[in-house]
Amino acid sequence: GDSVTQMEGPVTLSEEAFLTINCTYTATGYPSLFWYVQYPGEGLQLLLKATKADDKGSNKGFEATYRKETTSFHLEKGSVQVSDSAVYFCALIRNAGNMLTFGGGTRLMVKP
Amino acid sequence: DGGITQSPKYLFRKEGQNVTLSCEQNLNHDAMYWYRQDPGQGLRLIYYSQIVNDFQKGDIAEGYSVSREKKESFPLTVTSAQKNPTAFYLCASSSGFSGNTIYFGEGSWLTVV
Repeated sequence: GDSVTQMEGPVTLSEEAFLTINCTYTATGYPSLFWYVQYPGEGLQLLLKATKADDKGSNKGFEATYRKETTSFHLEKGSVQVSDSAVYFCALIRNAGNMLTFGGGTRLMVKP
Repeated sequence: DGGITQSPKYLFRKEGQNVTLSCEQNLNHDAMYWYRQDPGQGLRLIYYSQIVNDFQKGDIAEGYSVSREKKESFPLTVTSAQKNPTAFYLCASSSGFSGNTIYFGEGSWLTVV
């Protein structure tokens, strides 16, 4: 079945540091890939998405590129802020159907 | 403003009680979903509905029930059969059921006391 694997957290960075959160997936066909962010005590917000190979999703300074050859969708940001502290979830949807398969989440803590 | 509204935000349940979590969306989305999130973990699908008057079990449906009598509403009942109901519950919706982006509500915290 489908699966998503994320790097375990927490990831602790200083403000303005470079961020990478790794995400790899296993799925048949050509899934759509997503990053969601969850701030403390809140629901999930869509951060960015990519629907086909080599697409780059971007939003709020975050980027992720759909790499089919390595089945990866790593999240990056050049300079993190304290306000980026949250839990980040990588997820996929297979083309047929609309069931989200989530990774386990990675907690990011940014210190001033 | 368009969105997904869950209520209540916090709910306490006594052992043996059924409780119902409300989810309303005004996005005109056809599909709706319920997920459960345990502390420090990812999300697991409880139930989903592709269209009014139809719903399907997800990965962890035991001890839960749903209804979909109106397009905009998808309430979740946590029954006394659910042995470990303390969790964060997230409702979601999407405009279709084939690769469409899924949007989430703010969530409801359920605690058994």
